[in-house]
Parts: sequence; C-alpha cells; structure tokens
Amino acid sequence: QKEVEQNSGPLSVPEGAIASLNCTYSDRGSQSFFWYRQYSGKSPELIMFIYSNGDKEDGRFTAQLNKASQYVSLLIRDSQPSDSATYLCAVPSDSGGGADGLTFGKGTHLIIQP
Amino acid sequence: NAGVTQTPKFQVLKTGQSMTLQCAQDMNHNSMYWYRQDPGMGLRLIYYSASEGTTDKGEVPNGYNVSRLNKREFSLRLESAAPSQTSVYFCASGRDFPRADTQYFGPGTRLTVL
Repeated sequence: QKEVEQNSGPLSVPEGAIASLNCTYSDRGSQSFFWYRQYSGKSPELIMFIYSNGDKEDGRFTAQLNKASQYVSLLIRDSQPSDSATYLCAVPSDSGGGADGLTFGKGTHLIIQP
Repeated sequence: NAGVTQTPKFQVLKTGQSMTLQCAQDMNHNSMYWYRQDPGMGLRLIYYSASEGTTDKGEVPNGYNVSRLNKREFSLRLESAAPSQTSVYFCASGRDFPRADTQYFGPGTRLTVL
C-alpha cells in the first residue's frame, strides 16, 4: 500500500510571499505526481502534475521533484488570499501508471494572510 | 461541457436503507472512480472502472457495489447503509492522454447515515 505524507498545517504565509508545500511518498517507483487544490466544501481541483523526468512551472505555480529524498514540492509565488485552501498531493496507486486510481495525502491547509 | 456531474448533492439515510449515487462525465474518458473523503482520513478509493465493462475494488470497497452502465455513467450503490458510511463521496474520471491517472472530480455527494 503506497503512502503519501503531508504536514496538515495550517501553513500561514503573508500575501505576496512564496508558499512552499511539501509531500513525501513511500514508493520509489512512483512515476507521476499530482497536486490538487480543495476549497472548503468543494471538490478537489487539479492544479499541477509532473512526471519523474523533471520540474514544471505553470504561471505562479512550480512543482519540483526530489527523487533521491522522495518528496515533491509545490511553490506558489506572489501568494494571494484566493490561494487559501487545502492542497492535496497524490501518486498513482499502481506502479504501472495505469487507470487504477490515486493515493492521496491528507492535505496541507494553507492560509494566505492579507 | 459539464465535466463530471453527481446526483444527489445531499442525502440523509437511516441505518439499513439503500441508495444509489449517480455519476456521469461528458469528457469521453475511459476510466472512472469513486472516492470517499472523511475528516482526518483524506480521500480514499472505493471502486474504479478502467474502461467500460470492467470494475475493480479500491482501498475501501466493503459495503459498496458499483455499476459501469456505459462509457459515461458510473454508479455507486449502498445496499444497507451504516453510520460509518457517513462521508462525502466524489466521483472522478480519468483523462486518457497523456496518462489515465490525470483525474477530474465531480462536485460531490454529502451523505449522512443516522
């Protein structure tokens, strides 16, 4: 059974600063990594995914992979109050990267202070 | 393009009652999933369907059954509801390219079992 660990927070960051969220994963063979954002009372929304071949930047969001230490980071630049949410990290449940579902961490609650 | 839709949005059941949660997607995805989300437990996979005509158990399948009615629709049935099944249920569908594990979630069903 794969495991994904996240610090539950809350992580409090001033508006305009960089928010840094981390998650660690148990299976060294994991090939893809996903970050979802979930506002209170809403469904998870996919914001970023990366594969084991490198980091990725999309607007204010950057996802970084450290395979040696088995953790994935999500950086949010110029943090806005609208970024306040719970961020979920996930990996595929199977090693083949097929359609067998995702294993999620419990999420980090991020608060951006105006 | 509605994405993933779920009905009902809210439901209250008494112990022992049965009900079916409905899910439909209009993104022409092959794979579909049912998750439950509980406080402190994160998202957990109940059942999934990698393609039309196939279904498989996830991490927490006990007490549930599923039907992949066609490519668009994937239903979750509780035959005899228990208080432990009080949860928020999310349906998701998986994009087939670049990988089937890129999932998009519906709005959720909040179920309370008394």
